[in-house]
Amino acid sequence: ETGVTQTPRHLVMGMTNKKSLKCEQHLGHNAMYWYKQSAKKPLELMFVYNFKEQTENNSVPSRFSPECPNSSHLFLHLHTLQPEDSALYLCASSHPEGKLFFGSGTQLSVL
Amino acid sequence: GQQVMQIPQYQHVQEGEDFTTYCNSSTTLSNIQWYKQRPGGHPVFLIQLVKSGEVKKQKRLTFQFGEAKKNSSLHITATQTTDVGTYFCAGPNSNSGYALNFGKGTSLLVTP
Repeated sequence: ETGVTQTPRHLVMGMTNKKSLKCEQHLGHNAMYWYKQSAKKPLELMFVYNFKEQTENNSVPSRFSPECPNSSHLFLHLHTLQPEDSALYLCASSHPEGKLFFGSGTQLSVL
Repeated sequence: GQQVMQIPQYQHVQEGEDFTTYCNSSTTLSNIQWYKQRPGGHPVFLIQLVKSGEVKKQKRLTFQFGEAKKNSSLHITATQTTDVGTYFCAGPNSNSGYALNFGKGTSLLVTP
């Protein structure tokens, strides 16, 4: 256990569905992140939150919408996704400038 | 923007052979981190290097940070099957200063 919990572990959705990914950390970290990992690309930074404030949006399409209600929880809301959005979505947390602790990820398939 | 490049992309070795992966950044890094991801798993932190020319060892793993703080390497001596996985280097994102940009990783396969 890394102290970062992601749910669900697997998700299959149609292009018209709306779903949400959840991440929770019990490490007392102030920074939380969403990364996308696909077969053809490296770990891609999507969003960064520090003290609940979004500090970075790495040119992510608007069909991905993050939410950070507090320093321990992070959501990624998904709607009208495309098949090319199928990937492993990893949440991570850290102290600023510290090492990242990753969750186990959500394997997403968009049909 | 800042890019972190890693080579080789894949490496297949016989158990007992050595292995090295190299990481290069387009910009000077304040620090560099290394992570390992086992097949089907998530990245796990290995080490952070901060100082120019720094060398750190963890058992059979040796990590180096270049003098110019733009390149790094990970060397594994006498690989074991437990070393199988993908090794990533990562440097701070130039925008946020602390979020990490990852290299593409080097996938290591070790056969007995």
